[in-house]
Amino acid sequence: DGGITQSPKYLFRKEGQNVTLSCEQNLNHDAMYWYRQDPGQGLRLIYYSQIVNDFQKGDIAEGYSVSREKKESFPLTVTSAQKNPTAFYLCASSSQTGLGEQFFGPGTRLTVL
Amino acid sequence: KQEVTQIPAALSVPEGENLVLNCSFTDSAIYNLQWFRQDPGKGLTSLLLIQSSQREQTSGRLNASLDKSSGRSTLYIAASQPGDSATYLCAICGGSNYKLTFGKGTLLTVNP
Repeated sequence: DGGITQSPKYLFRKEGQNVTLSCEQNLNHDAMYWYRQDPGQGLRLIYYSQIVNDFQKGDIAEGYSVSREKKESFPLTVTSAQKNPTAFYLCASSSQTGLGEQFFGPGTRLTVL
Repeated sequence: KQEVTQIPAALSVPEGENLVLNCSFTDSAIYNLQWFRQDPGKGLTSLLLIQSSQREQTSGRLNASLDKSSGRSTLYIAASQPGDSATYLCAICGGSNYKLTFGKGTLLTVNP
């Protein structure tokens, strides 16, 4: 059953902690993306990767870091430098050949305590 | 910089009604446009993708149109059902890196 998985579904972080959100896909897609969603705002791009071992900053990369060591995985670390990390985080992937349709995971809700 | 606007922000209709959701964008140099559905607390489900060279796409009761010259897209939902209640998001892909710019969405409620 092909798709994108994200874990955990809910995550709680204390002030000053780094946390890592997992994103895995078995769609054989080259490109992967991380978005942040806040109430009343559209999705905003954090980071994206078009190929293994390469990634680019999106519109709101400050306070976040990523890695792309495997084609299937694109973890996102929310660092203590991110001042307002409470949000809903969505991972997506797309094929680099074809229509460019993006497919999304179920999301992780991060809350800072 | 691409800006995407969705009107209305919220819409409530009785079951069975046909309805139109609107999306406008400022830069007509687009690669494709996607319409998504999002249920509360869930991820996005892709509904329709319209390539830059296309005028419309259809899937079941859904029809999406694209007019690049005017910077507009519409999502038409025929014979609406309570199960259609969700937030509908429009997203523009501006180039071959497939980065998407999203509107804020339209919250649709279909009343039985």
